[in-house]
Amino acid sequence: EAQVTQNPRYLITVTGKKLTVTCSQNMNHEYMSWYRQDPGLGLRQIYYSMNVEVTDKGDVPEGYKVSRKEKRNFPLILESPSPNQTSLYFCASRATGGVPGELFFGEGSRLTVL
Amino acid sequence: AQSVTQPDIHITVSEGASLELRCNYSYGATPYLFWYVQSPGQGLQLLLKYFSGDTLVQGIKGFEAEFKRSQSSFNLRKPSVHWSDAAEYFCAVGARNTDKLIFGTGTRLQVFP
Repeated sequence: EAQVTQNPRYLITVTGKKLTVTCSQNMNHEYMSWYRQDPGLGLRQIYYSMNVEVTDKGDVPEGYKVSRKEKRNFPLILESPSPNQTSLYFCASRATGGVPGELFFGEGSRLTVL
Repeated sequence: AQSVTQPDIHITVSEGASLELRCNYSYGATPYLFWYVQSPGQGLQLLLKYFSGDTLVQGIKGFEAEFKRSQSSFNLRKPSVHWSDAAEYFCAVGARNTDKLIFGTGTRLQVFP
């Protein structure tokens, strides 16, 4: 089954404790992206990657890092999480040659930073 | 500045009633337009998209949307709502040469039996 898989789905952590949210897709997509969803703000892009070893900042990259060493994986790293990073995070991918904006989303990772 | 406005935060309808969710956008060029649906505890799923051509587009689950350039709108419609349509709906606008999407703040749809 074609899918985007995120882990963990739920996480409660404390300020300053490094964490990684993994994202993996099995569709051989080149484009991948991370979004955060906050009430009243919709979805905002954190980082995106056009291909392996190619990443770029989105609209809200502060406090986050990403890497793209393999086509299928695009982990989101929070080096020193803070309470304002409490949010619902989505990973998404797009088919190679597909229409810009036509995205496949993971089921989301709900992160709480105390 | 590019933006998407969904004026209705929360809409409640009875099952079987018709539905229209509003979306207005501000964009310099001819945009790509999308509606995504987020069911509880799930990721976003593409309902439909507009790129060019016929301004009335059909999507999955019986939804349709109409692009009105003069009104900068892309409203989502369904003639008869089912209880399973209860979800949050997001309108999004993108550009033809980039993957950047601007999302609206969403409209939560509640369906009463």
